[in-house]
Amino acid sequence: AQSVTQPDIHITVSEGASLELRCNYSYGATPYLFWYVQSPGQGLQLLLKYFSGDTLVQGIKGFEAEFKRSQSSFNLRKPSVHWSDAAEYFCAVGLSTSGTYKYIFGTGTRLKVLA
Amino acid sequence: KAGVTQTPRYLIKTRGQQVTLSCSPISGHRSVSWYQQTPGQGLQFLFEYFSETQRNKGNFPGRFSGRQFSNSRSEMNVSTLELGDSALYLCASSLSPSGRINNEQFFGPGTRLTVL
Repeated sequence: AQSVTQPDIHITVSEGASLELRCNYSYGATPYLFWYVQSPGQGLQLLLKYFSGDTLVQGIKGFEAEFKRSQSSFNLRKPSVHWSDAAEYFCAVGLSTSGTYKYIFGTGTRLKVLA
Repeated sequence: KAGVTQTPRYLIKTRGQQVTLSCSPISGHRSVSWYQQTPGQGLQFLFEYFSETQRNKGNFPGRFSGRQFSNSRSEMNVSTLELGDSALYLCASSLSPSGRINNEQFFGPGTRLTVL
């Protein structure tokens, strides 16, 4: 069955430190890949997406993600974290199955930033 | 341009009741998708509507239904509420239906439903 795994439920980093959030997917082909951020009481905001082409994708707020086909991974990175980045981050895949298209979300990684 | 709006933002119901949630997409967007978000199950896809037609449906019981109007506004209905239906219900709109390249979903703030 198709699935998205975010192995880290919680991550704590110091402000200014680098960040990497992990995402692995299980699917026979290359899906569309997305990272979203959700602040408390808010909906999800798209950070970046990958459909094809260059495997290093730049997004908003200084985030980037790298697609690695061999590892079925799409990890999110940021070189220097700001306190305002504290939020929950969701990896998602878009894929076709049984003639329909659907999105599958990971369970999320909650990021805490220490001052 | 106004974002996706959802009403009401908070709702408290009792078991057995029914509820209707509303979603107004971004102007010009014709696709609306609904998701249920719970701490235990995360984000789960409910259904998608495009041009008043349901295009995709997730694995939810028939108590969950939806519809879309000609102005692209969408409603979601849950009948015979159960305690487990307590969740944040998110609506997302997009220009094109899911599966199209460059399809991007814009999410609303959600409706927090509590079932007592």
